[in-house]
Amino acid sequence: GEDVEQSLFLSVREGDSSVINCTYTDSSSTYLYWYKQEPGAGLQLLTYIFSNMDMKQDQRLTVLLNKKDKHLSLRIADTQTGDSAIYFCAESMTSGTYKYIFGTGTRLKVLA
Amino acid sequence: SAVISQKPSRDICQRGTSLTIQCQVDSQVTMMFWYRQQPGQSLTLIATANQGSEATYESGFVIDKFPISRPNLTFSTLTVSNMSPEDSSIYLCSVESGVGTDTPEAFFGQGTRLTVV
Repeated sequence: GEDVEQSLFLSVREGDSSVINCTYTDSSSTYLYWYKQEPGAGLQLLTYIFSNMDMKQDQRLTVLLNKKDKHLSLRIADTQTGDSAIYFCAESMTSGTYKYIFGTGTRLKVLA
Repeated sequence: SAVISQKPSRDICQRGTSLTIQCQVDSQVTMMFWYRQQPGQSLTLIATANQGSEATYESGFVIDKFPISRPNLTFSTLTVSNMSPEDSSIYLCSVESGVGTDTPEAFFGQGTRLTVV
């Protein structure tokens, strides 16, 4: 079945690193994404990783993919108060319709 | 990239009534997607709207409850019919860019926050 799970909450101090974790079940996923949702806004793509990659770094963001364990993580270095938001991981399927399955979302709170 | 405008951004509606949500994209796209995000939950795909054909609904969603129009390649509407408080959610329009390239990416509108009283 298709299921993407995340922990619901994460609280960190400003300047620390944040690590948001995600587990998925469909090994045929082609791309895995991290989206950010700020209050009252739609989803904004932060970064993505292709399923044949282990790691991707993009400025303060580092994505790690463990395909064997079906585990995806997003590390935010030097977390700022502006990073406070809900973070969704998502996988896109290879069924030809590019259907996205979203995780439950992790609410990140950054304490000043 | 794609810029998506949704209207209304929020509404409070009486139970039993219907609300039509509009989604306008700044470029032509083949498929448009409608998602529901219930309070504190993730996004659930309602249906995929293709221009010139009937929308394809996901399990648990039916056309009578969520009729969709797709009159052209830049516009779609989702109607939430005969609303009940359980329909209170954020409804999001999405399109995909880059299909067939290295990185397909989903773009989202800002969402419509619906409260049914």
